[in-house]
Formats: sequence, C-alpha cells, structure tokens
Amino acid sequence: DAGVIQSPRHEVTEMGQEVTLRCKPISGHDYLFWYRQTMMRGLELLIYFNNNVPIDDSGMPEDRFSAKMPNASFSTLKIQPSEPRDSAVYFCASSLSRTGELFFGEGSRLTVL
Amino acid sequence: GQQVMQIPQYQHVQEGEDFTTYCNSSTTLSNIQWYKQRPGGHPVFLIQLVKSGEVKKQKRLTFQFGEAKKNSSLHITATQTTDVGTYFCAGASGTYKYIFGTGTRLKVLA
Repeated sequence: DAGVIQSPRHEVTEMGQEVTLRCKPISGHDYLFWYRQTMMRGLELLIYFNNNVPIDDSGMPEDRFSAKMPNASFSTLKIQPSEPRDSAVYFCASSLSRTGELFFGEGSRLTVL
Repeated sequence: GQQVMQIPQYQHVQEGEDFTTYCNSSTTLSNIQWYKQRPGGHPVFLIQLVKSGEVKKQKRLTFQFGEAKKNSSLHITATQTTDVGTYFCAGASGTYKYIFGTGTRLKVLA
C-alpha cells in the first residue's frame, strides 16, 4: 500500500492568499485526521472524519479554516485567508478504527509570508 | 480540556546509556499510544496500551501504562544512534480523540 499521501509537500504563500492542502488516506481506512505541528504548540488535532463525515472540528482554530471529505479517498484542508501564524507542518493521518493505529502522511510544510 | 504532558522535554544521552520519557494526562485515559518522529519526518506508531498496569516490550523498548491509566512511560535500554528522534505519547479519553503529548526529543551522542 502507498500509505497516506499528502500534497503539496511544501507551500510558500503570501498573507491573504488561499491555501489548499490535500490528503489521500489509506484505502479501507474509515477515519481521517488532520493535525497541525508547530514548535510552540506541538501536534494539535484540528478535525477528524468518520466515513467522510466530520465528527469533531473543535480543534479548528477559526473560521478561516475549513475541511472537507467529499469521498473516502480524498480530503482537503483549506485556509482562507492565510496568515503568517498559520505557518506549520500539517499532517493527515488515517486509521482503520476509532482507537486504532494512526498512519501519518509525510506532511505539508506551509510557510505564510 | 484534556492535557497530556511529557517530561523531560529534551534528553541527551551517550550511546549505550538508558533513556526514559514520562507521559502524564490530566484525565483518565481509555488507552495510550506511543509514536516516534525522526527529524524532518512524520510520527510513526510504536505501540498501544489499553489495560491498567500493562507492560509491553519491543526489543530494547519497554512501555508501561499506569495503574490509574493517567500516566505512561517509555524506557529504552542501551540507546543507539538510530534511537534519535522525538517520542510522543498520545492519549485517548472518552471521546476517543487522540491528544498528543508535548514530546521528548532524544539525542544520542556516539
């Protein structure tokens, strides 16, 4: 299996621009998670889906952030408009079950200037 | 909300020395997982503990879940340079949302 695939791996953008991060989970995994990692705040859970339905989005920082999962093999995390404080590594992870092992993608490193 | 703290934040050891990181949750956990993240990499699953007082071993790594299910530890015997990285615990409570600990960054000096 190819594992969790994320794109882009690196994104540099200017403040105010829209950013879209993409994730393809492992086939057959019913759970998909979006995490954000920074030095100051560590690994934060932003949102997770079960069978394409958002279950808990309490970690989404503010309305500028939105996430969708239109089908079982694709999810997006969108930031509009982006701000410098959004600079971080964004990880997508998938899991077979609610309490199972998390398989992480390689991450998308976002820099907002 | 639920908080998961790890100590120490950093640890430098000489190759061959032992290493231990401790994880403490503000709430009782249903289970706990441990992950390793190499520099520049992504977290990789190591193990999951479910039962109170559970101890599991993987070669030189020993994982323990506290009796009250609010703390856990990871012990590495005779560290090697390949052990370098950041070790995270991730605890799940009633909502089964995994909250990651603050991490312990291990550096092994050859």
